[in-house]
Amino acid sequence: GQNIDQPTEMTATEGAIVQINCTYQTSGFNGLFWYQQHAGEAPTFLSYNVLDGLEEKGRFSSFLSRSKGYSYLLLKELQMKDSASYLCAVDETGANNLFFGTGTRLTVIP
Amino acid sequence: GAGVSQTPSNKVTEKGKYVELRCDPISGHTALYWYRQSLGQGPEFLIYFQGTGAADDSGLPNDRFFAVRPEGSVSTLKIQRTERGDSAVYLCASSQGQSYGYTFGSGTRLTVV
Repeated sequence: GQNIDQPTEMTATEGAIVQINCTYQTSGFNGLFWYQQHAGEAPTFLSYNVLDGLEEKGRFSSFLSRSKGYSYLLLKELQMKDSASYLCAVDETGANNLFFGTGTRLTVIP
Repeated sequence: GAGVSQTPSNKVTEKGKYVELRCDPISGHTALYWYRQSLGQGPEFLIYFQGTGAADDSGLPNDRFFAVRPEGSVSTLKIQRTERGDSAVYLCASSQGQSYGYTFGSGTRLTVV
């Protein structure tokens, strides 16, 4: 779960769509998680991908390409309450913990 | 309990003092994790418990940090001789197993002055 890379900050408009990318390098891959974290609060689970492809859950979707070491989180119909940090976390084979990226701080503007 | 509970929510201590941070996980979750999060960073792994034993403490930064989980439920993270660099939010999470993901507590914000 090393070298997890996400953009530091993004800004998007209410009602729009935003894609938050995450790239990673691991020696063995067991799965990838996305968490949402509002300022001053705990991270909360959004999605989990273990196989390639798109997982859709309401306004949020997550995509994984294991061969490319790449995932994205897609947020549709953005709302002001979606302003938060979005953390990508990798489950690496043999590791006892998830490895987190530094997070992408998303600001939704009117 | 219904969620992961951490106490205190905020702790201010003087440099050199000892602190204890408590975590009460979701009932039935055998896996418990401590992470530390500095401002603008992602959570950084400290220690993992499976049941009562510390299965992996490789993330503890030095021997001033120690954690216990004597009955396989509540865990306490102990920091001796605190330093200003220890200031961070300490997050606890519990899980049924790693592939299920974690449920985090709200964290303890530790400030060492």
